[in-house]
Formats: sequence, C-alpha cells, structure tokens
Amino acid sequence: GQQLNQSPQSMFIQEGEDVSMNCTSSSIFNTWLWYKQDPGEGPVLLIALYKAGELTSNGRLTAQFGITRKDSFLNISASIPSDVGIYFCAGQLRGTDKLIFGTGTRLQVFP
Amino acid sequence: GAGVSQSPSNKVTEKGKDVELRCDPISGHTALYWYRQSLGQGLEFLIYFQGNSAPDKSGLPSDRFSAERTGGSVSTLTIQRTQQEDSAVYLCASSPQSGDGNGYTFGSGTRLTVV
Repeated sequence: GQQLNQSPQSMFIQEGEDVSMNCTSSSIFNTWLWYKQDPGEGPVLLIALYKAGELTSNGRLTAQFGITRKDSFLNISASIPSDVGIYFCAGQLRGTDKLIFGTGTRLQVFP
Repeated sequence: GAGVSQSPSNKVTEKGKDVELRCDPISGHTALYWYRQSLGQGLEFLIYFQGNSAPDKSGLPSDRFSAERTGGSVSTLTIQRTQQEDSAVYLCASSPQSGDGNGYTFGSGTRLTVV
C-alpha cells in the first residue's frame, strides 16, 4: 500500500537533546498529522496541521505543514525518557477519508 | 465504551486456518478503519466503513481478507486460509465523522502470528 517517506528510521539520543524528523510525499495533502505509538498500544495523535505553512506547537513538540503541501516535520525539544516510542506522520488526501501513514521513526532516549 | 476495544489482543494460528478479529468502536463514531502494521513498518490501510455507505475496500491485500460492520457499530475482520505473511498487528480506529483525521482513535491492536 501507499506510504509516506519518513526519516530518520531510528534515533538514539541523550536526554535533553532536541530531535527532528520529517516526512515527504509525491502527493499533495490536505491535512498532516503526527502520531506517537507506545509499545503494545495504538498510535495517539500529537499534532494536527490543516494549512500550508502552518506551524503548531504542543508543549515541547512543534510541527509544520510544508508550503508545497508535500512535506511536514516534527521537532521535539529537550527530550525526556518518556518520549521513547515510534513516531508516525500521516497525510490525508483531498477528497478521501483515509490516512496514509509514514514508515515511522523509532526514538530511543538515554538518561 | 470509553475507547476503541479490540479482541483478541494476541492470536496465534496455524497456517491455513481462518481467523476473526473484532473491533468495538467508540459509541457514536460513524467511521471505522482497519489498518495493518507489519514488523518495523508503518500502518497500511485495509478497509474503511462510514455509516451505511458501501465500505472502501481498496486496501485489502487479497480476497482472503474481508470485513463487515454490523448495525453500524462492531466490526469483524476475517482472514481466510491464513499465510505467514499475514502475521502483523491489526489496528482498528474510529472517528466521529468521515474525513476527520483529527478524530481518529486507535485501539491497542490484535497481534496475529501465523505459524
């Protein structure tokens, strides 16, 4: 099935460091979303973006909807151990009801 | 219920057997989605139900896969004659209305292992 290109695949960082991950697509999206998945759980929504160029923050998380509507990034500042998990971007095409997900970025935070 | 409930949480089956996976969406949510997550992969769309409309089955990988949603609530995903490549986590999500990615709530998934 169709998936978004998400990078990096994995990150190993020290507590307190900042993190950045991004997604790119060949398709134009109406909506970009970022989810986090903890082990054994389903993904949970972190941030939703609805307009090209939009920059939205949620605590230590900041995400942007790319101007071309084909990309998005997520930044996490001052990482903490509970940030560990898999982060997924997801895009929604205009005129469709389903989300297309990225391949995920696995984040490990060491104290 | 308060969240999306999936059962069983884990299922081990022999190759060639049929399996049924169940999803109880949040009460009142009209849209229901099934996704598959293979090891180390993202979420692959399988099928989508919205109210009484015909489901979008465009993501089902083969005719061994089918799903139904009874009474606009509970959904069952059936995999016939399971193969080892069917091993994955099957995630269900529901939302209050279609086209609202902001409203997706996922269940914890069913981990299917075909041996």
